[in-house]
Amino acid sequence: EVQLVESGGGLVQPGGSLRLSCAASGFTVNSNYMSWVRQAPGKGLEWVSLLYSAGSTYYADSVKGRFTISRHTSKNTLYLQMDSLRAEDTAVYYCARVFGDLSSFDIWGQGTMVTVSS
Amino acid sequence: SYELTQPPSVSVSPRQTVSITCSGDKLGDKYASWYQQKPGQSPVLVIYEDTKRPSGIPERFSGSNSGNTATLTISGTQAMDEADYYCQAWDSSNVFVFGTGTKVTVL
Repeated sequence: EVQLVESGGGLVQPGGSLRLSCAASGFTVNSNYMSWVRQAPGKGLEWVSLLYSAGSTYYADSVKGRFTISRHTSKNTLYLQMDSLRAEDTAVYYCARVFGDLSSFDIWGQGTMVTVSS
Repeated sequence: SYELTQPPSVSVSPRQTVSITCSGDKLGDKYASWYQQKPGQSPVLVIYEDTKRPSGIPERFSGSNSGNTATLTISGTQAMDEADYYCQAWDSSNVFVFGTGTKVTVL
């Protein structure tokens, strides 16, 4: 079964760091474009980051310089390292597989909640 | 930065047809996708590449995209279709963009 399972969310103080993990099954993270998308409480979806299969990375302006997307080949896992966290980073974070020629996200994880608060 | 605008809410009676619009500059030159999200759940892809339905998505969901507007149409709306719907496009500056979201209420 094709599946994504996120973990690593929690409560962190402003300025702190957190690393999210996204374990994939049924397909290979290395061979696909992968992304992180977040949703603040009661708000809409916001794209966060993209990792091309070739290794290039891209970020939304709101997280550029603070977040880092990466993957571990043998663990078939996607990561999001989040540093210098702010209250406005509070959200449910989803990992998602990019489908087709950068057209859409066909597989989503269940999400992991990140709360930035003192 | 590129923006996609949707109406905040629409309502529809059971078995009727509802259309949700998504507006963006020259959106018709890009591929539009649509997602359904029910409370407490992850988004589900219902339309990709403007008009295509993923496996398992009912035929009552259809899409179009031309000019500055993409449209998601639900024909014969059912109570189970009540959800938030988001459009999405890929911008050439290597970013994905989501629409503002539309809450569909089945009265």
